[in-house]
Amino acid sequence: EVQVVESGGGLVKPGGSLRLSCAASGFTLNHYNMNWVRQAPGKGLEWVSIISSRSNYIYYADSVEGRFTISRDNAKNSLYLQMTSLRAEDTAVYYCARERSEADSGGLYVNFFDSWGQGTLVTVSS
Amino acid sequence: IQMTQSPSSLSASVGDRVTITCRASQSISTYLNWYQQKPGEAPKLLIYAASSLQSGVPSRFSGRGSGTDFTLTISSLQPEDFATYYCQQSYSTLYTFGQGTKLEIK
Repeated sequence: EVQVVESGGGLVKPGGSLRLSCAASGFTLNHYNMNWVRQAPGKGLEWVSIISSRSNYIYYADSVEGRFTISRDNAKNSLYLQMTSLRAEDTAVYYCARERSEADSGGLYVNFFDSWGQGTLVTVSS
Repeated sequence: IQMTQSPSSLSASVGDRVTITCRASQSISTYLNWYQQKPGEAPKLLIYAASSLQSGVPSRFSGRGSGTDFTLTISSLQPEDFATYYCQQSYSTLYTFGQGTKLEIK
């Protein structure tokens, strides 16, 4: 069974740091791009970051660029998100999401998130 | 790329046919996905590439569109369909979601 499980969330003061982890099982991590998506309390989904299967490309949302760092260890089947200079507006449930690609009827390969963890809550408050 | 869903909320009854709209701020071809999220749960993929049904998703869900305008239709609402629905574009690697449409029981 494909599964991703996040950990590492908690309460941190503004300006502090936290490292999230995502453990993958039931599939070979190095075959897939991986993403972090977050959801502030009572709000919608916000994409945070992507790392390609071989770590050769990485992108961040503007809201976290320069403060968050995504990484992966394929040998350990794990994904990480190092978060620094945390702000109150970073308070959210953080989801790890596996990305898959399939062709549509016209042959275009479209990427989507097919497996999600249950999330880990990060609270930034003094 | 900004994604705008309408309506933001919708009240409907079991058995109703409902349609949710998603509009992209620029053309995204069919790089459009739909997710369902129930309270306290992770999002679940329903539709990818605008109209392809994810394995295991009931056939009452369908998606259409290309370019900038997309729809998600539920042909006959079931009690388990009351949830929040999100569209998401993957045309740009800076992925973005719509703000969500909350589907409530009338």
